[in-house]
Amino acid sequence: KQEVTQIPAALSVPEGENLVLNCSFTDSAIYNLQWFRQDPGKGLTSLLLIQSSQREQTSGRLNASLDKSSGRSTLYIAASQPGDSATYLCAVRPLGGGYQKVTFGTGTKLQVIP
Amino acid sequence: SQTIHQWPATLVQPVGSPLSLECTVEGTSNPNLYWYRQAAGRGLQLLFYSVGIGQISSEVPQNLSASRPQDRQFILSSKKLLLSDSGFYLCAWSVGGGGYTFGSGTRLTVV
Repeated sequence: KQEVTQIPAALSVPEGENLVLNCSFTDSAIYNLQWFRQDPGKGLTSLLLIQSSQREQTSGRLNASLDKSSGRSTLYIAASQPGDSATYLCAVRPLGGGYQKVTFGTGTKLQVIP
Repeated sequence: SQTIHQWPATLVQPVGSPLSLECTVEGTSNPNLYWYRQAAGRGLQLLFYSVGIGQISSEVPQNLSASRPQDRQFILSSKKLLLSDSGFYLCAWSVGGGGYTFGSGTRLTVV
């Protein structure tokens, strides 16, 4: 059974700092991995989707990497801003499994202090 | 463009009352549709998914049911709500090898 871990559960950084959020998974047979942000009381907003054949994806100040061999993905946020404060979740879709088999991490709650 | 609408945003219902939450998708055809529940301090739990009209699969036994009367419409229902049904309900869709797109969620409080 796939297990997805996000450590730390919470993180507080000063504005302007570059930071890395981690997502670890136990089964490397994945189809894709998706990063989301969730603001309090809101739905999940997709940030980046990395297919199994890709090593990284970039969108603006965000860069997500994928290393299947080590069972790890990282989300890099450059020059953090207070508006980046949210909970960040990763979701892993298994190879050969539909989206009903997706496993979500429990998230990292990020606070960027002005 | 592809969008997903979910309503209502918040709902307070008494125990024993019925429930109907609706989700509609625009800009795509034959999507896979999902209902998730997110309890406070816990992860996302898949409740139902659907790969087509009238096709519903349930992941966990519960007091809820789902229906898909049209290709881009997904409804979550209950005949009699329990206190334990309180939570944050999220609808999502996916197509092919793409990722999830989530709705804005419904905060349900059963009193």
